[in-house]
Amino acid sequence: GAGVSQSPSNKVTEKGKDVELRCDPISGHTALYWYRQSLGQGLEFLIYFQGNSAPDKSGLPSDRFSAERTGGSVSTLTIQRTQQEDSAVYLCASSAPGGRTDTQYFGPGTRLTVL
Amino acid sequence: AQSVTQPDIHITVSEGASLELRCNYSYGATPYLFWYVQSPGQGLQLLLKYFSGDTLVQGIKGFEAEFKRSQSSFNLRKPSVHWSDAAEYFCAVGAYGGSQGNLIFGKGTKLSVKP
Repeated sequence: GAGVSQSPSNKVTEKGKDVELRCDPISGHTALYWYRQSLGQGLEFLIYFQGNSAPDKSGLPSDRFSAERTGGSVSTLTIQRTQQEDSAVYLCASSAPGGRTDTQYFGPGTRLTVL
Repeated sequence: AQSVTQPDIHITVSEGASLELRCNYSYGATPYLFWYVQSPGQGLQLLLKYFSGDTLVQGIKGFEAEFKRSQSSFNLRKPSVHWSDAAEYFCAVGAYGGSQGNLIFGKGTKLSVKP
């Protein structure tokens, strides 16, 4: 009965370095979402995976951001050449589409600090 | 484009007092609406959601919300606030008007509770 898990919980990196953030969705959930929560910007959608369909990348802020989902389960969000404005909490959510009452369940987030 | 407005950034109420958090949305058709709560350092937890039917929706922790199409509002209410309700509250709308796909969030309302 585990929920959505994310790792690491905190990440401090230097400007220009690459980082990888991991999300383990709830078992059986076919939909997975990444959001970013930052001061002044609130919660912003980044990318959405649904089953084997091509992901909706419309929220990615730049080509430094990418994400993949392997085997329809675990997802990794990669930020290349990090900038200070990338500092934020990155939240992952999953849901089990199949009806009209999908609920997105959120993980605790990864707090990224770029020095 | 869809949007969500939470006019109150910060609200303080006394324990035992009633609470109403405001949410206005912009969407052409019947929206899918959600309220989430985020405690410090935690992920988001769903309080309640509206998809269709009865416009008064009951949620967890004694919260309710009323969908008013004429006012484009989905305000959250609680008759008697407890100290443990202190948190940040987010209203959200489904981006594509359905239950799948990403959510668009308001900026949040931070609730403080006075003893």
